[in-house]
Amino acid sequence: DTAVSQTPKYLVTQMGNDKSIKCEQNLGHDTMYWYKQDSKKFLKIMFSYNNKELIINETVPNRFSPKSPDKAHLNLHINSLELGDSAVYFCASSLGRADTQYFGPGTRLTVL
Amino acid sequence: GENVEQHPSTLSVQEGDSAVIKCTYSDSASNYFPWYKQELGKGPQLIIDIRSNVGEKKDQRIAVTLNKTAKHFSLHITETQPEDSAVYFCAASLITGGGNKLTFGTGTQLKVEL
Repeated sequence: DTAVSQTPKYLVTQMGNDKSIKCEQNLGHDTMYWYKQDSKKFLKIMFSYNNKELIINETVPNRFSPKSPDKAHLNLHINSLELGDSAVYFCASSLGRADTQYFGPGTRLTVL
Repeated sequence: GENVEQHPSTLSVQEGDSAVIKCTYSDSASNYFPWYKQELGKGPQLIIDIRSNVGEKKDQRIAVTLNKTAKHFSLHITETQPEDSAVYFCAASLITGGGNKLTFGTGTQLKVEL
């Protein structure tokens, strides 16, 4: 199936741990994004990459580091996890910088 | 930066009735306004979008209107069906060469009752 996919779907971990979430799209898109959805369902952009180049970087703690090995993948690594990092993280992609964004199914991160 | 307000936060309608969700935005330069539907446990799915050079757009039972002067835009769903039940998000952005940074509203939980 053509889509934006994320792994894992659920992630439960202890405070202080380091974890990664992977995102892949097979839509042939050039631009990818990470969004965070908090417990009140508020969606906020974190990062955007275009052809492996960082183009949007919102005010996000340095503990969050996106990595784009190629334009079909955008991974999110989080160091020293905190309780407040608990949220659903969505990856999205778009054909170009100005095009419609398509979202993945989300990764629910729970920090205990 | 952009700020988007969305109302109502919850909306309950009878099957077959119409539903209207309204959003206002703060940045008059914003030029792109998508609407997303999010079902439980899933990612947001684009249902319709409009750009600032258009005042209205329709796709079957769904329509969006944009009033640039008042800085507000609305989603209209006619002949609602139970499968329309979901959370709906509006968003606004200024599309530039630097990218498309969507600012989302706070969402509307729509419930279509039989």
